[in-house]
Amino acid sequence: DAGVIQSPRHEVTEMGQEVTLRCKPISGHNSLFWYRQTMMRGLELLIYFNNNVPIDDSGMPEDRFSAKMPNASFSTLKIQPSEPRDSAVYFCASSLRRSGSAGELFFGEGSRLTVL
Amino acid sequence: QKEVEQNSGPLSVPEGAIASLNCTYSDRGSQSFFWYRQYSGKSPELIMSIYSNGDKEDGRFTAQLNKASQYVSLLIRDSQPSDSATYLCAAYSSNTGKLIFGQGTTLQVKP
Repeated sequence: DAGVIQSPRHEVTEMGQEVTLRCKPISGHNSLFWYRQTMMRGLELLIYFNNNVPIDDSGMPEDRFSAKMPNASFSTLKIQPSEPRDSAVYFCASSLRRSGSAGELFFGEGSRLTVL
Repeated sequence: QKEVEQNSGPLSVPEGAIASLNCTYSDRGSQSFFWYRQYSGKSPELIMSIYSNGDKEDGRFTAQLNKASQYVSLLIRDSQPSDSATYLCAAYSSNTGKLIFGQGTTLQVKP
């Protein structure tokens, strides 16, 4: 299997611009997670989906952030407008949600976002 | 109080020694616990999972869980320089469906 695929790997943009991060989960996985990692705050859960349905978005920092999962093989995380404090590595992860294994996540390589 | 707490380190051990990494969690509803390893500039990868009290061994790695004390640990025997990485402890609660990570402990194994 190809693993979780994220794009772009690196994004440099200017404050105020829209940023869209993309994720393709592992085929057959039914849960998808978006995390953000910074030195100060570590790995923070932003939102997760089960069977394409958003279950908990309480980690989304503010209304500038939105996430969608239109089908089982694609998800996007959008930031509009972007701010310098959004600079971080954004990870997408997927898992096969079944009893006892829901915490076994497979991570993509991450999208490193720099907002100038 | 953070939901999952770890000492950020760095923890430095000589090659061949035992490295002991510790983690505490605050949500008593957490049922499953995981250790992820993250090399610098890479993504986290799962190395151990533990679901019940006691020890679980896998090669050079042993995970320990004490739910009464809300404590999880990872022992790495015969540490190798290739074990140098950040180790992330994570707790999963089926009540919330969330996997929450600690800040991670950086391990340095010196040849």
